Amino acid sequence: GENVEQHPSTLSVQEGDSAVIKCTYSDSASNYFPWYKQELGKGPQLIIDIRSNVGEKKDQRIAVTLNKTAKHFSLHITETQPEDSAVYFCAASIGDYKLSFGAGTTVTVRA
Amino acid sequence: DGGITQSPKYLFRKEGQNVTLSCEQNLNHDAMYWYRQDPGQGLRLIYYSQIVNDFQKGDIAEGYSVSREKKESFPLTVTSAQKNPTAFYLCASSMGRQGSGELFFGEGSRLTVL
Repeated sequence: GENVEQHPSTLSVQEGDSAVIKCTYSDSASNYFPWYKQELGKGPQLIIDIRSNVGEKKDQRIAVTLNKTAKHFSLHITETQPEDSAVYFCAASIGDYKLSFGAGTTVTVRA
Repeated sequence: DGGITQSPKYLFRKEGQNVTLSCEQNLNHDAMYWYRQDPGQGLRLIYYSQIVNDFQKGDIAEGYSVSREKKESFPLTVTSAQKNPTAFYLCASSMGRQGSGELFFGEGSRLTVL
């Protein structure tokens, strides 16, 4: 099955700086790559996703890039704010049903 | 408000007992899922259901059972055969084939085996 590795496991950034989280996947047939944000005590929430026919997608301060050849994708958060502190998960799937998640990155934004 | 409701939020059980976690959605979604979350391991898929009266095993189905008798409901039973049941359990739903693939999660149920 699909194996998704996520790095780093923890990330501390100064408010206003950028944060980058990287993921690699094993199955070249994977074609859907979402990112979820989980705040303390809550379920994860989709923040951005990308499909394999697109190389980059941006939504305000967050962006995702996909390199199909290298089988890796990254989440970029610019101008970080305290409310960006959370656990972020990447995921990959073939189609929409069986998502495989990375282990998560705990992001802390220091004021 | 539309969403996913999981209950109970916290549950304690003695070894050897079965326990059922409830998951209800009012989003009219076809697909529902159960994930297990352990520290440092991300989310692992236990079972999923694409449509009423049908479900498939995920990556870690051993020791768990589910049913999907109604579109709105997808209860998970943690049986005594599950060797390490203490975990945080998340239920989710999605539109399925007609949708974007986005999963909508509940707030989770934390199960502790004493």
